[in-house]
Amino acid sequence: GAVVSQHPSWVICKSGTSVKIECRSLDFQATTMFWYRQFPKQSLMLMATSNEGSKATYEQGVEKDKFLINHASLTLSTLTVTSAHPEDSSFYICSAHRATNEKLFFGSGTQLSVL
Amino acid sequence: DAKTTQPNSMESNEEEPVHLPCNHSTISGTDYIHWYRQLPSQGPEYVIHGLTSNVNNRMASLAIAEDRKSSTLILHRATLRDAAVYYCILTYNQGGKLIFGQGTELSVKP
Repeated sequence: GAVVSQHPSWVICKSGTSVKIECRSLDFQATTMFWYRQFPKQSLMLMATSNEGSKATYEQGVEKDKFLINHASLTLSTLTVTSAHPEDSSFYICSAHRATNEKLFFGSGTQLSVL
Repeated sequence: DAKTTQPNSMESNEEEPVHLPCNHSTISGTDYIHWYRQLPSQGPEYVIHGLTSNVNNRMASLAIAEDRKSSTLILHRATLRDAAVYYCILTYNQGGKLIFGQGTELSVKP
């Protein structure tokens, strides 16, 4: 069964609103989680590394004020897309591992559509 | 970061073996070779990984060239459910994060 749970699976929102996506590790504690974004017919792009109890590390070109990441517990990381616009419409995927350099488990993804 | 090169797409017939190639000529001695696959509208899933020796698991086999500059993912009997994008990724001490390339889109014909 799934070891990383991501919610919601899809969300439609109006331009200018904020959307929160949750990522949970179900049977292990994850001090680090990763957030990816994927546009249609493209590969996954790493957005940021979520660190439990500290600030997230963002990849170059990703706006930290636009994509707020909170990792308040060892089993939950959230990604909030603030003031969403149509160009933020994408498939967002989180992942986690049981230990550093072990295989990653991925969530099922969240399809965000901004009208 | 060491890069990988994969064909954009491949076709296979159901119940036949599939060999998915990956070139990584700039691989370093500490890089592991990982394979993940992504089914349509889903998050990726782990397939297999290796360092130097060939590896087998219930999903697939990984054949690594002696010089480690290339590898091949082998699906012994392709099924329709194996239709996915397959990613070959090199990892080393990056804190576990994976950087995805373009991958190979595998289609399986009945």
